[in-house]
Amino acid sequence: DQQVKQNSPSLSVQEGRISILNCDYTNSMFDYFLWYKKYPAEGPTFLISISSIKDKNEDGRFTVFLNKSAKHLSLHIVPSQPGDSAVYFCAASRNNDMRFGAGTRLTVKP
Amino acid sequence: GAVVSQHPSRVICKSGTSVKIECRSLDFQATTMFWYRQFPKKSLMLMATSNEGSKATYEQGVEKDKFLINHASLTLSTLTVTSAHPEDSSFYICSARDLQVSTDTQYFGPGTRLTVL
Repeated sequence: DQQVKQNSPSLSVQEGRISILNCDYTNSMFDYFLWYKKYPAEGPTFLISISSIKDKNEDGRFTVFLNKSAKHLSLHIVPSQPGDSAVYFCAASRNNDMRFGAGTRLTVKP
Repeated sequence: GAVVSQHPSRVICKSGTSVKIECRSLDFQATTMFWYRQFPKKSLMLMATSNEGSKATYEQGVEKDKFLINHASLTLSTLTVTSAHPEDSSFYICSARDLQVSTDTQYFGPGTRLTVL
């Protein structure tokens, strides 16, 4: 069964507004969470991560929130820019075991 | 649904030997599978795109004779690392695309940790 789920296959946002990408996981043993950004014909590029001992990590326009009790992870991008348009994958890991969500395509409209 | 498995999850081999990694889509047909290699900064490098019944498309800089990819069925793709060397030690991840869902959606396997001694 999929241990990491991204239930929204796509999201469309206006430039300058906030983009919120969501991710749910089932295995409470995961202790490290990552977001990747993927452009066509390239591998996913690491974007931001968070350890399970934290509930928020911020890097510029990108903030990842972790709600362990809900087993929920979200990525906030603000303000959104057209260059942020890509497919975003969340991933959860423990030791060497890493599981990915299926991806959400974000489209930021000018 | 939409589960992708990889086997083995971990493998240790001697330098010069070959290692085969399997990637299977368990409950859907995957006409396209992707092979990635993870580097220390966590990003995944696309190595090749594997289409069922045809030759794999390799990314620039990836040696096709060293990393043999076979996609013989709609549920199985294999990556064989031939004459492995310590620099081939890495985390290899496959993903599969289910065309009935979306061209963006990829289901990732759990990865294979290869250590070459």
